[in-house]
Amino acid sequence: SAVISQKPSRDICQRGTSLTIQCQVDSQVTMMFWYRQQPGQSLTLIATANQGSEATYESGFVIDKFPISRPNLTFSTLTVSNMSPEDSSIYLCSSTWGLGEQFFGPGTRLTVL
Amino acid sequence: DQQVKQNSPSLSVQEGRISILNCDYTNSMFDYFLWYKKYPAEGPTFLISISSIKDKNEDGRFTVFLNKSAKHLSLHIVPSQPGDSAVYFCAATISGTASKLTFGTGTRLQVTL
Repeated sequence: SAVISQKPSRDICQRGTSLTIQCQVDSQVTMMFWYRQQPGQSLTLIATANQGSEATYESGFVIDKFPISRPNLTFSTLTVSNMSPEDSSIYLCSSTWGLGEQFFGPGTRLTVL
Repeated sequence: DQQVKQNSPSLSVQEGRISILNCDYTNSMFDYFLWYKKYPAEGPTFLISISSIKDKNEDGRFTVFLNKSAKHLSLHIVPSQPGDSAVYFCAATISGTASKLTFGTGTRLQVTL
């Protein structure tokens, strides 16, 4: 499996601002995924990001709120736009190997005041 | 609609004993199941998986059992060690759906001395 890193590891932001989270994989991968884990909740898939195409968003998530870039096969960004306290979560990126196993980055802990 | 459920939010087991974590699912289309372990401030770590064509898969101290008719899977850890203390998530996917994972809500395992 590859190593996945994320930046920043945590941030505290003001309401109404935006934060861009970076995800770097140390090898080329076709698919990358962005998840959200709200406090005490499970991991919920936000979107799937393939290089060279628009991200595919899950129900309840929209591009205007969570724009995603995937400029190459090792990198992706997720922006959380116009933040509110309800966006306080851990945001995780992942990629897939083998039969379906996904391997995750360490996460970005976001607190919105 | 929670398609993957872990009904026990927490479990406490003595070191050396068996830990059994349970997971139920409702979507009969799921055909590949995974268990992840998550420590605080880290991303989930893949543990073990099982395809729906099997009813058991073993990897060292970890064994996953699948009962398709009951739509139930379980993770057995024998013997339990203090380092196993973490939150465990089960996840399910449908082969050919771009590896999209649906996660359960997690069970916090505490292994005591």
